Amino acid sequence: DQQVKQNSPSLSVQEGRISILNCDYTNSMFDYFLWYKKYPAEGPTFLISISSIKDKNEDGRFTVFLNKSAKHLSLHIVPSQPGDSAVYFCAALYSNYQLIWGAGTKLIIKP
Amino acid sequence: TAGITQAPTSQILAAGRSMTLRCTQDMRHNAMYWYRQDLGLGLRLIHYSNTAGTTGKGEVPDGYSVSRANTDDFPLTLASAVPSQTSVYFCASGAALGNEQFFGPGTRLTVL
Repeated sequence: DQQVKQNSPSLSVQEGRISILNCDYTNSMFDYFLWYKKYPAEGPTFLISISSIKDKNEDGRFTVFLNKSAKHLSLHIVPSQPGDSAVYFCAALYSNYQLIWGAGTKLIIKP
Repeated sequence: TAGITQAPTSQILAAGRSMTLRCTQDMRHNAMYWYRQDLGLGLRLIHYSNTAGTTGKGEVPDGYSVSRANTDDFPLTLASAVPSQTSVYFCASGAALGNEQFFGPGTRLTVL
């Protein structure tokens, strides 16, 4: 049973609009969450993170929101750019070393 | 800078054969990790190392072994490969356990 779920395998967004990627988790002990971005034939690269003591973290065009009561987080990208087309993974830090990963959402930015 | 490198890029391996996937980082990171990525499952941790000389089991360690003789290298060995080990393998490193992880480009392994 997956503890971190990304229920949308893919998402298509018009360039310049907002992209919203969602992630749900089941373990209330998770207290630190990360988003990674992955291009084809490359390893994932860190994008943004959030601690459970916060409900929002912003870095340029990227904002992550955390709703602990709903065990839900989302990544907002605004405005979306063609270079944002990639697979986005949500991950939760467990036992201070292990990342539990979602299956990923493929974001396609249409020109 | 090289960062973190993996070799080979891809490999086709006959079932029952052994194989070592290589991983080297030049960032002097203490922590290193091996993951496998399978379609629809995200990345799953195989083994990790907190520092040179120590290793630990992750979520899916069976059929794999690792060693950490020095800070820079963290090889992953499949002693007797099986088709279910067909996957993309990623090595990662971080300053310490729990810190941001930096990933290599991956090794695509096919076991026939």
